[in-house]
Amino acid sequence: ETGVTQSPTHLIKTRGQQVTLRCSSQSGHNTVSWYQQALGQGPQFIFQYYREEENGRGNFPPRFSGLQFPNYSSELNVNALELDDSALYLCASSLGLEFAPQAKPNYGYTFGSGTRLTVV
Amino acid sequence: KNEVEQSPQNLTAQEGEFITINCSYSVGISALHWLQQHPGGGIVSLFMLSSGKKKHGRLIATINIQEKHSSLHITASHPRDSAVYICAVRLFIQGAQKLVFGQGTRLTINP
Repeated sequence: ETGVTQSPTHLIKTRGQQVTLRCSSQSGHNTVSWYQQALGQGPQFIFQYYREEENGRGNFPPRFSGLQFPNYSSELNVNALELDDSALYLCASSLGLEFAPQAKPNYGYTFGSGTRLTVV
Repeated sequence: KNEVEQSPQNLTAQEGEFITINCSYSVGISALHWLQQHPGGGIVSLFMLSSGKKKHGRLIATINIQEKHSSLHITASHPRDSAVYICAVRLFIQGAQKLVFGQGTRLTINP
């Protein structure tokens, strides 16, 4: 059983550029969530992808967008990078809604190691 | 006020001490997670709780749904336990599940 793999591990971009981060989900998981973690803070929910569609979004502007592919892997795209976008971006996979409705405690999340993005 | 509050924010203790980290939340949840994050950034899931108590090795997690409170305990703490411990609650909103995280507790265990 493979875990969640994120790439790249580190990235430096210039303000105004665009970036794509990648995440492969754990085998058997069909849902991917993305989180942004600023230094010294807890992660913040960006959005979730389920069945190749965005299914829930946090308080992030439209320049944060994503994709999910038929193999359940996912990309996070950020356009027009700003200095405040510098953070650790975490991806987590889980089992989706048809298998884990509201209060099923047995379905957990598997996290990747993150991509550390620095915008200069 | 954050939906998830952890205390303390920083904790330094000597090897062998009993450690308690607390988490309070203000919303209805479907589950609560305790996570461990090491300096490299990767997050490891320690526990997922919806009621009662769970134990894994030297780690114990409890949750009181009525009081919206959870605790993570570490017995016989060791320097390798040094990490950031994060409490996250699972919410089910408009057909999507998401995690809302606390800010984390930075634990340092000195030999």
